[in-house]
Amino acid sequence: SAVISQKPSRDICQRGTSLTIQCQVDSQVTMMFWYRQQPGQSLTLIATANQGSEATYESGFVIDKFPISRPNLTFSTLTVSNMSPEDSSIYLCSVGGNEQYFGPGTRLTVT
Amino acid sequence: RKEVEQDPGPFNVPEGATVAFNCTYSNSASQSFFWYRQDCRKEPKLLMSVYSSGNEDGRFTAQLNRASQYISLLIRDSKLSDSATYLCVVIRPYNNNDMRFGAGTRLTVKP
Repeated sequence: SAVISQKPSRDICQRGTSLTIQCQVDSQVTMMFWYRQQPGQSLTLIATANQGSEATYESGFVIDKFPISRPNLTFSTLTVSNMSPEDSSIYLCSVGGNEQYFGPGTRLTVT
Repeated sequence: RKEVEQDPGPFNVPEGATVAFNCTYSNSASQSFFWYRQDCRKEPKLLMSVYSSGNEDGRFTAQLNRASQYISLLIRDSKLSDSATYLCVVIRPYNNNDMRFGAGTRLTVKP
């Protein structure tokens, strides 16, 4: 198993601003994943972050809106840029293969 | 059609009841299937995997029907602590890291 921490755990932000979410894993992993869970809905994969290469984004998500960094094998960041109220959601990072381990999530509210 | 669809729920059952959830998937080439559990305001956690003909873990039984492309989860002798949202997860074919989540079925077990 893996232990994952995220910062911040929650934040309230004004529209037009950006927020960077950090994800730290207690072991080295090749791939890290970023998900979004909007209120009352299930998880949607935003992108896959590989160390040393560009992140791979899912349909409907673009790098300009959700830039991702992956500087080493235990850490990644996701930035939510130029936020609008529609970005209010829980953002989760995860690692693993068939069995995924999730971080506790970052609860973002955009006003 | 959604790639992974679940019973809409919610399910409200008394303690000791048996409850079953169904999940259908659209891609017949999918190979791996899972049930995750998500408690309120918590991250999802793996409940059990579903491989080939299914499997059983204590009070929980997961079944796979490839011909009809559905997965089921049966919970026997429900406990109050079983109250949660149950997420059906399907791994896209040819990419072990690409997980698709159902919208989840909420279960409330009442005394």
